[in-house]
Amino acid sequence: AQSVSQHNHHVILSEAASLELGCNYSYGGTVNLFWYVQYPGQHLQLLLKYFSGDPLVKGIKGFEAEFIKSKFSFNLRKPSVQWSDTAEYFCAVLLYNQGGKLIFGQGTELSVKP
Amino acid sequence: SAVISQKPSRDICQRGTSLTIQCQVDSQVTMMFWYRQQPGQSLTLIATANQGSEATYESGFVIDKFPISRPNLTFSTLTVSNMSPEDSSIYLCSVGQGAQETQYFGPGTRLLVL
Repeated sequence: AQSVSQHNHHVILSEAASLELGCNYSYGGTVNLFWYVQYPGQHLQLLLKYFSGDPLVKGIKGFEAEFIKSKFSFNLRKPSVQWSDTAEYFCAVLLYNQGGKLIFGQGTELSVKP
Repeated sequence: SAVISQKPSRDICQRGTSLTIQCQVDSQVTMMFWYRQQPGQSLTLIATANQGSEATYESGFVIDKFPISRPNLTFSTLTVSNMSPEDSSIYLCSVGQGAQETQYFGPGTRLLVL
């Protein structure tokens, strides 16, 4: 069955540290890839997405992600985190020709210490 | 992106009762979906709400338990029927302009069943 795996359940960083959150998926066909973020008390928001083209995509608030097709990965990065980045981050994969079904990873809770 | 609202935002219900959750979008959308996020878990697609026809349910979800309506392109309801404590979750609707397009999420309905 198709699945999405996020390597880290909870990440704790100090401000200005670099961030990389891993995401791998299991599906051999064409996919669209997403990272969503849920800030405390807020609803799920789109951070960035990859559909095609340049595998390095940039999102809001200085986040970027790289799609590596050979590794079935779509890791999220940020060079320098801020306290306001404290949130839960979800990787999601949309499978082509599956009617719009989004498959989510388990989520990674990021805590940034000021 | 569209503005999505859900009612109620939260509720506490007794087992054996039913609750209907509404999802309203401020513009017409092609696709509407319902997801569930159980405590400590990720989001799981329940069904795709189809306008003018029966919803398309994912494996493990049935119409008798989760009847869905979608009378037009801006509104959908999800009913959680004959509730048990295991139904305690956050229920979210999402919308998109195509099966392969980005989905945007509503604020969610937090349900606790006693």
